[in-house]
Amino acid sequence: AQSVTQLGSHVSVSEGALVLLRCNYSSSVPPYLFWYVQYPNQGLQLLLKYTTGATLVKGINGFEAEFKKSETSFHLTKPSAHMSDAAEYFCAVRRGNTNAGKSTFGDGTTLTVKP
Amino acid sequence: DAGVTQSPTHLIKTRGQQVTLRCSPKSGHDTVSWYQQALGQGPQFIFQYYEEEERQRGNFPDRFSGHQFPNYSSELNVNALLLGDSALYLCASSPEYTGAYEQYFGPGTRLTVT
Repeated sequence: AQSVTQLGSHVSVSEGALVLLRCNYSSSVPPYLFWYVQYPNQGLQLLLKYTTGATLVKGINGFEAEFKKSETSFHLTKPSAHMSDAAEYFCAVRRGNTNAGKSTFGDGTTLTVKP
Repeated sequence: DAGVTQSPTHLIKTRGQQVTLRCSPKSGHDTVSWYQQALGQGPQFIFQYYEEEERQRGNFPDRFSGHQFPNYSSELNVNALLLGDSALYLCASSPEYTGAYEQYFGPGTRLTVT
């Protein structure tokens, strides 16, 4: 069984400040981990993924995340927030080494960027 | 290259009715998954189709059924609609054998049940 916990349903930062969105997962097998962004009335867009190899992964729009197995975490960061980063962010986990099966999502974190 | 497309964009139905939602996967993708996203929540897995068969199913009642066609497109059918079925329904596609593993999502169909 797999589960995802996103700590903090709402995060507010000032433009130019560090963005940190927290994600902890539970998985009985080696996981694949993903961060998605969702803008209002749109589908999900993949920001980045961890499958194997380097634990620090870089994604689009300046975002990156680090897989920490000992902490079962996959937190999303961005050094400097832009107004355009305001959106809903979802962390997801899938069973590793296969395309079969579901992704399990957290409940999401709403990011607000203040001017 | 067209991404995942879904139709219709919006739909309003009455309790007890039936609805069919459609999805065309991204070119080159042969696996299709359906998710339900209620307001303020993350997507919940409904089921996944591969080679025209339901491969895995989430915790949804039999009122939810699906189909995959030879061209890999897919339908989601919901019978005997309840108010609680109101949600954004997302289709996601992925290629089975490339090892890419990520799912590409469509824009969704917003279903409102009154």
